[in-house]
Amino acid sequence: EIVLTQSPATLSLSPGERATLSCRASQSVSSYLAWYQQKPGQAPRLLIYDASNRATGIPARFSGSGSGTDFTLTINSLEPEDFAVYYCQQRSNWPRTFGQGTKVEIK
Amino acid sequence: EVQLLESGGGLAQPGGSLRLSCAASGFTFNIYGMNWVRQAPGKGLEWVSALNGPGRNTYYTDSVKGRFTISRDNSKNTLYLQMNSLRAEDTAVYYCAKSGTGGGFFDFWGQGTLVTVSS
Repeated sequence: EIVLTQSPATLSLSPGERATLSCRASQSVSSYLAWYQQKPGQAPRLLIYDASNRATGIPARFSGSGSGTDFTLTINSLEPEDFAVYYCQQRSNWPRTFGQGTKVEIK
Repeated sequence: EVQLLESGGGLAQPGGSLRLSCAASGFTFNIYGMNWVRQAPGKGLEWVSALNGPGRNTYYTDSVKGRFTISRDNSKNTLYLQMNSLRAEDTAVYYCAKSGTGGGFFDFWGQGTLVTVSS
């Protein structure tokens, strides 16, 4: 099973700042990595798939990069609605696995 | 507009059974893989099971193999999860999620149904 490790666990930032979230895989997942946003009481929402492709309707301030074992989700100029938990997920191997999540909170 | 509506959650005793359903609309159901993903209270996301479009290929996380069965009725645009021999650790919100083009990631999610396993 591929283990995804996200860092940091919590990111405390102010609106307008840039958020940089990391996801590291225990073995190469090529570019088969997705990012999701989840707000309290809501279902997750797909942000990025295959490392760098924004999903339909996702604002351009969200971007993804990386390949192999190291990936980054960047949120440029945080908006109030961006404070949430973010998960990475790999589709390279079965079982599909998620990282443990990074919480982006208001500083 | 893609919609996924789960039902069938509730309280079950350890060792008991539940059947979850997910009614899909807004897309051509029979050509997309479908998944169940769960989230225990206060915890992260865990993929549970997947099924390809025609329904021939199934996949499970190890902890549910032999206890859960995923299936679909493409004539009814509905996905199912039969859960047997339930354990306390199966307590979670269960989400139905549609696979994106190419498979393996989840582009649309339902709102989830809560399964509680307790005596």
